[in-house]
Amino acid sequence: EPEVTQTPSHQVTQMGQEVILRCVPISNHLYFYWYRQILGQKVEFLVSFYNNEISEKSEIFDDQFSVERPDGSNFTLKIRSTKLEDSAMYFCASSDSETQYFGPGTRLLVL
Amino acid sequence: EDQVTQSPEALRLQEGESSSLNCSYTVSGLRGLFWYRQDPGKGPEFLFTLYSAGEEKEKERLKATLTKKESFLHITAPKPEDSATYLCAVLSGSARQLTFGSGTQLTVLP
Repeated sequence: EPEVTQTPSHQVTQMGQEVILRCVPISNHLYFYWYRQILGQKVEFLVSFYNNEISEKSEIFDDQFSVERPDGSNFTLKIRSTKLEDSAMYFCASSDSETQYFGPGTRLLVL
Repeated sequence: EDQVTQSPEALRLQEGESSSLNCSYTVSGLRGLFWYRQDPGKGPEFLFTLYSAGEEKEKERLKATLTKKESFLHITAPKPEDSATYLCAVLSGSARQLTFGSGTQLTVLP
């Protein structure tokens, strides 16, 4: 069964450093998403991406964040200068209709 | 602004003891209501999509129902492996962003 994959599973970084989180969406899906979940809190939407551009973004997704689809299979989330409050699980998702399928997540810890 | 409220926050059941989880929602123009299962440290695993009031979906011991204001996830004769956090989420209007509830943490004791 096709699934969304994410790398790395864990990432530890120093405050102010740049991180890139990687995702491989399900191959025939056209919509891609990033969500995050701070420990003990709700899953929160960050951004959606369609046809090589951002279609929606939340207030969380400020200028420190960017997304890219560098090739036909990968979808990345870049955080330019990490802050302590960026520590969270980051989930990639993809869909071809309303139902979104999530990856296993990347646990990001900012020290 | 879309709102999703799940209750109870936590539920402990004995194996075989059936129960229901609730998801109340306030949205403008529901396009879909989704149930996911989340194990600790993992991503949400898709269970069901419901589109309109009166709709029901079943999978093994789980059954999801939808009204105009809420959805229920019924668990029949649960087993310890059903222990997880169950998340409800909605899509509304023309947006593609899911709005999640806080989840119900289910523990099924053997």
